[in-house]
Amino acid sequence: GAVVSQHPSWVICKSGTSVKIECRSLDFQATTMFWYRQFPKQSLMLMATSNEGSKATYEQGVEKDKFLINHASLTLSTLTVTSAHPEDSSFYICSVRTTGSYEQYFGPGTRLTVT
Amino acid sequence: GENVEQHPSTLSVQEGDSAVIKCTYSDSASNYFPWYKQELGKRPQLIIDIRSNVGEKKDQRIAVTLNKTAKHFSLHITETQPEDSAVYFCAASRGGYQKVTFGTGTKLQVIP
Repeated sequence: GAVVSQHPSWVICKSGTSVKIECRSLDFQATTMFWYRQFPKQSLMLMATSNEGSKATYEQGVEKDKFLINHASLTLSTLTVTSAHPEDSSFYICSVRTTGSYEQYFGPGTRLTVT
Repeated sequence: GENVEQHPSTLSVQEGDSAVIKCTYSDSASNYFPWYKQELGKRPQLIIDIRSNVGEKKDQRIAVTLNKTAKHFSLHITETQPEDSAVYFCAASRGGYQKVTFGTGTKLQVIP
């Protein structure tokens, strides 16, 4: 399967600041990337889907101006949480998929804590 | 959009017994049904998947069944071991560029 990395693995930031999370596909052309958020003891909730070179498609209820997603290349997507609030504290996981493939490969996740 | 329901939310079994987790989906166009195992603080790991042109698939101690008519699919784990303890998620997708919708998860505890 594909090797997917995320950076950072954990981050603490103050309310009102912004934080950027990177998702890299190391050996795989990630034509589609997904960003999920997972609160403790809950399921993965899809935030947005991005296709390389296109604008991300956000799920209902996810603020696109707060969660900025950039998928500039076939190996890198970034999620920027702007004006972070404590309620944004969560586990953020990306996944990648290539053209014609059903399977998605997950990154290791990023634990965000907003104080 | 797709809605995936999963039961039970928690499941305790004795080591060596079987465990069954059931899911239902709402979108008749969904054609790909993966199952994931997630350990605490880790990424989900694909353990088995099934496509809509197949009714059953088995991989060693793990099997998945799909009933397209009823929109049900189930995960069966036989001869459970303590290392099977984790949270299991079912999911459904139309495949291709389409998103994957996850079920609510089942916390499986295998008691030695």
